[in-house]
Amino acid sequence: EVQLVESGGGLVQPGRSLRLSCTASGFTFGDYAMSWVRQAPGKGLEWVGFIRSKAYGGTTEYAASVKGRFTISRDDSKSIAYLQMNSLKTEDTAVYYCTRDDRSGWYYWGQGTLVTVSS
Amino acid sequence: SYVLTQPPSVSVAPGQTARITCGGNNIGSKSVHWYQQKPGQAPVLVVYDDSDRPSGIPERFSGSNSGNTATLTISRVEAGDEADYYCQVWDSSSDHPRVFGTGTKVTVL
Repeated sequence: EVQLVESGGGLVQPGRSLRLSCTASGFTFGDYAMSWVRQAPGKGLEWVGFIRSKAYGGTTEYAASVKGRFTISRDDSKSIAYLQMNSLKTEDTAVYYCTRDDRSGWYYWGQGTLVTVSS
Repeated sequence: SYVLTQPPSVSVAPGQTARITCGGNNIGSKSVHWYQQKPGQAPVLVVYDDSDRPSGIPERFSGSNSGNTATLTISRVEAGDEADYYCQVWDSSSDHPRVFGTGTKVTVL
């Protein structure tokens, strides 16, 4: 059974950093790209970024709203994808989800982790 | 970046048909996926590649895609279908390769 579990959310002050983790199980993690998606309170879904599998270079792409501040990485030996968030802003407050970046739709999602950016 | 436009809300009586549109420039040339999201829950994939259903999704959910509009159709609507629905496409040629629609709140009257 495929499972994705996010962790690392919490309350953080503006300008500070936070790292989220997405721990995967039930599939060969290294074979898949992984995406991060967020949802601000009462708002819609927003794609944050993704990381390709090593077979495709392990490269990353980001939404314009986070480019230069957020970094996605992966540790295939631990089946974990990370979202490093720096220079956080109040508008980054959201529930953050990780998903397996399957071309035919995102069937697998984590339960989400809440990040609150506030002083 | 590519923009997907959905109506903010759709209201439908139980047993009737709900149609949710997703507008985008030449969206018919892309594969469209649809997600259902209930309050406090992660999104659930209900239609992928325009018109296919994942296992466990009722046949009442169907999709189509042509020209500048993709449509999610929910037949014989039930109270449990009340949720937010989002369309999604991959736009690999742009600097924003994964795009969600603006979302539609489906209310069952």
